[in-house]
Amino acid sequence: QSVLTQPPSVSAAPGQKVTISCSGSTYNIGKNYVCWYQQLPGTAPKVLIYDSDKRPSGIPDRFSGSKSGTSATLGITGLQTGDEADYYCGTWDSRLSAGVFGTGTRVTVL
Amino acid sequence: QVQLEQSGAEVKQPGASVKVSCKVTGDALSDLSIHWVRQAPGEGLEWMGGFDPEEGETYYAQNFQGRLILTEDISTDTTYMELRSLRSEDTAVYYCTRSEDSFDLWGQGTMVTVSS
Repeated sequence: QSVLTQPPSVSAAPGQKVTISCSGSTYNIGKNYVCWYQQLPGTAPKVLIYDSDKRPSGIPDRFSGSKSGTSATLGITGLQTGDEADYYCGTWDSRLSAGVFGTGTRVTVL
Repeated sequence: QVQLEQSGAEVKQPGASVKVSCKVTGDALSDLSIHWVRQAPGEGLEWMGGFDPEEGETYYAQNFQGRLILTEDISTDTTYMELRSLRSEDTAVYYCTRSEDSFDLWGQGTMVTVSS
């Protein structure tokens, strides 16, 4: 039902890198900035990336974002056990005039 | 600092309505764009709707058209989310969140359980 598609899960060993893709359309990612959110179990989401590639203050540079065409990517380097969480992309859909989130990706540190 | 404080958990019967409040402290609600996002148990985030003060427009997700009403009381810096004709699928945690360049500030969440 979500208009943004993410892989259900990604995993890697501590210290390694993972990337999470977010696929949309010309009406959402193609036209608007993308944000990425981290959600730890039982807590509210926290923004990691805004304007597709900017980090709020306090977010380590291990987290990076990029956008190309109708897709966006979140990268996490130097993976830590504390990074185990669900990650969501989000943006505005100009055709729907609505906010949209991705399907979510569970990151597991092996 | 700015905080969003939500009302407590609710248990409702199918067909009833629920009204969740979100009080802004540390800033004026009139300066903010507040949106609502929900998350059913074990599921992902779902955007419900939000207010854009620059355009003076309230936006609603198509899934909730006719059932969702978002209102604001500027005098108390409190915004409300009312969902009508509740069904079991509406059981979820409901969040209010501030929209600036992102949803950068979130309330603590309100659990709404719909059960007979």
